[in-house]
Amino acid sequence: EPEVTQTPSHQVTQMGQEVILRCVPISNHLYFYWYRQILGQKVEFLVSFYNNEISEKSEIFDDQFSVERPDGSNFTLKIRSTKLEDSAMYFCARRLAGAYEQYFGPGTRLTVT
Amino acid sequence: DAKTTQPNSMESNEEEPVHLPCNHSTISGTDYIHWYRQLPSQGPEYVIHGLTSNVNNRMASLAIAEDRKSSTLILHRATLRDAAVYYCILSPGTSGSRLTFGEGTQLTVNP
Repeated sequence: EPEVTQTPSHQVTQMGQEVILRCVPISNHLYFYWYRQILGQKVEFLVSFYNNEISEKSEIFDDQFSVERPDGSNFTLKIRSTKLEDSAMYFCARRLAGAYEQYFGPGTRLTVT
Repeated sequence: DAKTTQPNSMESNEEEPVHLPCNHSTISGTDYIHWYRQLPSQGPEYVIHGLTSNVNNRMASLAIAEDRKSSTLILHRATLRDAAVYYCILSPGTSGSRLTFGEGTQLTVNP
């Protein structure tokens, strides 16, 4: 199973601050995803990224969120001005070219105080 | 997204087979049936997927009804490590599609 790492494993930030969550997938994955899971709730899709462009986003993914792959390897999720309700586990996922299954990273726990 | 229905929870004994059901009566002809699981404090983990025919891999088997309105994930010999929430998810045939997670089935494995 292809491995994905996410950094940091845990991020604590104050409300209103910007955070950047990072995902390091294997380079031959073409599709990248971000999901989040608020404690005790369902896993929710945020955004998918293909060929260096957003291919799909959910209603959760508003102007406070952005994604990019700045150096061709790391895949980042930025939250510009965090809110208390952004506290959640954030999972990066990636998909091999031509496959249907997604492989998830271990997640970043974001705590907004 | 087409909806799936799963029992909230199931129990099994270690070393016994487990059959996890999923109903998806509104499935479309191009929807793939995916199963993922989430162990405590971990990210979702891919288990298996299929379209029409039954599928087997090293983790599990997937039995798909002939009319595709239901499917069953089969763990042949449950271990304590299989205790997790199991999600049955329908996803269109385009390979870039999002996964829409429901509540899933919480599987408890008794020693």
